[in-house]
Amino acid sequence: EVQLVESGGGLVKPGGSLRLSCAASGFTFSRYSLQWVRQAPGKGLEWVASISYRSTYIYYADSVKGRFTISRDDAENSLYLQMDSLRTEDTAVYYCARDITLIVDYWGQGTLVTVSS
Amino acid sequence: DIQMTQSPSSLSASVGDRVTITCRASQVIRNDLGWYQQKPGKAPKRLIYAASSLQSGVPSRFSGSGSGTEFTLTISSLQPEDFATYYCLQHNSYPFTFGPGTKVDIK
Repeated sequence: EVQLVESGGGLVKPGGSLRLSCAASGFTFSRYSLQWVRQAPGKGLEWVASISYRSTYIYYADSVKGRFTISRDDAENSLYLQMDSLRTEDTAVYYCARDITLIVDYWGQGTLVTVSS
Repeated sequence: DIQMTQSPSSLSASVGDRVTITCRASQVIRNDLGWYQQKPGKAPKRLIYAASSLQSGVPSRFSGSGSGTEFTLTISSLQPEDFATYYCLQHNSYPFTFGPGTKVDIK
């Protein structure tokens, strides 16, 4: 059974940093691209970042470019999102997903990040 | 960047109604579009991939159509469990973009 489990969310002050993790199981992690998608409270979905197989290609939304870094550790079956210089508008539930371009996609249940003083 | 618009932004419907939601892309995206359903507190669930292909396990009352820049999600006979928010997503080019969503609630 494919599972994606996010962790690392919490309360952080503006300007602070946080690192999200996504632990994957039930599939050959190294073969897939992965994404982070977020949803601010009461708002719609926003794609945040993508990382390809072998980390060859990495893309970011303009809203996080230069502040967030997506990475993966294929040996640990884990996806990460390093979030620096956090702003109040980064407050959201963050979901990791397995390649949303393929016929079958999988999503985690999300982790809440709250940026507030 | 490709902009996605959705209409309507919300609708009220009754059980058994036929519901249609439209998504438009600001440029041609072939059929690189998915439709997602999201219920409060839950992760999105994809219903349709490649614009018109039904995801395995999704009831056949859901269907998708379109290609290029205009796409439609249709629910042929609305059921109580279908009251939710629906999003389209284009993955033709980065940055991927979601539509703003359509909230379907009970009339």
